Amino acid sequence: NAGVTQTPKFQVLKTGQSMTLQCAQDMNHEYMSWYRQDPGMGLRLIHYSVGAGITDQGEVPNGYNVSRSTTEDFPLRLLSAAPSQTSVYFCASSYSFAGTGNSGNTIYFGEGSWLTVV
Amino acid sequence: KQEVTQIPAALSVPEGENLVLNCSFTDSAIYNLQWFRQDPGKGLTSLLLIQSSQREQTSGRLNASLDKSSGRSTLYIAASQPGDSATYLCAVGTGFQKLVFGTGTRLLVSP
Repeated sequence: NAGVTQTPKFQVLKTGQSMTLQCAQDMNHEYMSWYRQDPGMGLRLIHYSVGAGITDQGEVPNGYNVSRSTTEDFPLRLLSAAPSQTSVYFCASSYSFAGTGNSGNTIYFGEGSWLTVV
Repeated sequence: KQEVTQIPAALSVPEGENLVLNCSFTDSAIYNLQWFRQDPGKGLTSLLLIQSSQREQTSGRLNASLDKSSGRSTLYIAASQPGDSATYLCAVGTGFQKLVFGTGTRLLVSP
């Protein structure tokens, strides 16, 4: 059972380039989300999805697009990379709402994608 | 706006000590609070989840408490081991898919 798999692990982009960070989970979770982690700041929610075909914005969505065509995959697209998007990106999935009162709701994280925009 | 603070930012202890990590939040209207462990270059691993109606949760040598009214949670680690060295993050659940994270406490347990 692989859990949450993110690719690539490391990427260097030039300003203005576009790219897609891939995220896949094999736990049949409906809920998936993308976070970014920056030094001195907590993880911040970029976008999330509650199932195939349904996505919504988080706290810091500007400059990113997402889509959810299957339960398993939730790619994050950087449209035109900027140095401010240099960060570590984490994909997460959970069986039910992460952040609500449902019991036994464990959220699983991928190992992260380190992105540098020069 | 919900803000989560973790003190101390870093902690170094000798093996065998009992220790307490602190997490405070500004808005008591939370659904739950979770503690995570993050190893260098790795993702986050969920350690304990406390629902808003609960006061504490225990897992092995870990015990987490929650006091919603005062906006505080503590993570107690008993008999610390070098393998406990990691960054510990707390996050409060504020609603649908919305977790607000603290910046973490970096723990080093020396043999």
